[in-house]
Amino acid sequence: DIQMTQSPSTLSASVGDGVTITCRASQSIGRWLAWYQQKPGKAPKLLIYQASSLESGVPSRFSGSGSGTEFTLTISSLQPDDSATYYCQQYNGYSTFGQGTNVEIK
Amino acid sequence: EVQVVQSGAEVKKPGESLKISCKASGYSFTTYWIGWVRQMPGKGLECMGVIYPGDSDTRYSPSFQGQVTLSVDKSISTAYLQWSSLKASDTAIYYCVRHSEAGGLTSPFDIWGQGTLVTVSS
Repeated sequence: DIQMTQSPSTLSASVGDGVTITCRASQSIGRWLAWYQQKPGKAPKLLIYQASSLESGVPSRFSGSGSGTEFTLTISSLQPDDSATYYCQQYNGYSTFGQGTNVEIK
Repeated sequence: EVQVVQSGAEVKKPGESLKISCKASGYSFTTYWIGWVRQMPGKGLECMGVIYPGDSDTRYSPSFQGQVTLSVDKSISTAYLQWSSLKASDTAIYYCVRHSEAGGLTSPFDIWGQGTLVTVSS
């Protein structure tokens, strides 16, 4: 299996701050990487696919970058509604997820 | 509207069997891979396996091979996840998901069901 490692596990930031989450793959996955947002009691929601493509309807403050083994999700100006857990997922072969990053608003 | 709607919460005893369902609507059911994702209490997301409704081609993630069975009924656009003998460690929320590209496994999950909570307790 391809292992996905996210960092940090938790981050706390203020409204308006820019935040970045990193995801590393145990081997190269090209750009076959997605990011999801999950709020408590809800199903995850696709935010970014193919490393940097924004899913329809997702606010432009979310952006993704990277290729190969290192990827980032950036929220340019954190909003109260962004409080959630974020997961990366590789879909090159058997799909696997990172362990998640919990984003809290200070 | 493209959606998948899952069956309701289940409470079972260890050793019992279970089959949960996922009904698709709003798109061509037979041309998109359907997957199942497990989320244990307070934990992250794990892909269990995928099935192509067009021909029932099924791929299991190594950790779930032999533990569960995926199936579909094309006539009612429904996918199933089943266990023959549940364990307490099967307690989790199970999500039905759709791969976003027709016929393509190299694509993310764009449609998620609401989740089915399975509780296994004596």
